[in-house]
Amino acid sequence: DVKVTQSSRYLVKRTGEKVFLECVQDMDHENMFWYRQDPGLGLRLIYFSYDVKMKEKGDIPEGYSVSREKKERFSLILESASTNQTSMYLCASSSPPAGAGELFFGEGSRLTVL
Amino acid sequence: GENVEQHPSTLSVQEGDSAVIKCTYSDSASNYFPWYKQELGKRPQLIIDIRSNVGEKKDQRIAVTLNKTAKHFSLHITETQPEDSAVYFCAASITSGGSYIPTFGRGTSLIVHP
Repeated sequence: DVKVTQSSRYLVKRTGEKVFLECVQDMDHENMFWYRQDPGLGLRLIYFSYDVKMKEKGDIPEGYSVSREKKERFSLILESASTNQTSMYLCASSSPPAGAGELFFGEGSRLTVL
Repeated sequence: GENVEQHPSTLSVQEGDSAVIKCTYSDSASNYFPWYKQELGKRPQLIIDIRSNVGEKKDQRIAVTLNKTAKHFSLHITETQPEDSAVYFCAASITSGGSYIPTFGRGTSLIVHP
């Protein structure tokens, strides 16, 4: 089974703090994604990565950055957390479509910014 | 970019009834349409998907239909059971850099009453 692990299930941070959300997958997937989930808004793509050291902006990248130094690890960084970044953050991975396309999600990291 | 509209936002049915969730998309280049189910407190998981060269796909009580001309696709669940209660997300995916990049709808909360 594919396993996508997010380092923290629950975090509470203060406005202005730097926040790191870590995600690790164990299936050698090329693609990794960060989504934000808010009630009534569905899953919105923040950033994704096709390969090590590359990244692409999604639909809502403002206020976020990412890092992918190793294939299995994809980090989401909030340089200066703000209250409107309080949300559930979901990491996912997938392989290129050799007949596939399924996203495998982590358990999620619920971030509260005070 | 792609825009996916999903309706209804909430659907309440009696056990044994059928449930239908509809999605429309805007980008004619979208070619892969997955559906995810998210139970309360859990991660989204793929339940069925369809590619643009297929009009319909069925897996036991679940079926998906796709109308590329009209740019809409639907999820059909027959003989609903209480364990079908969850939030369902549709997505439309374009191929970018050799990978599927999905845009999600806002989700439908399905409630099946025993």
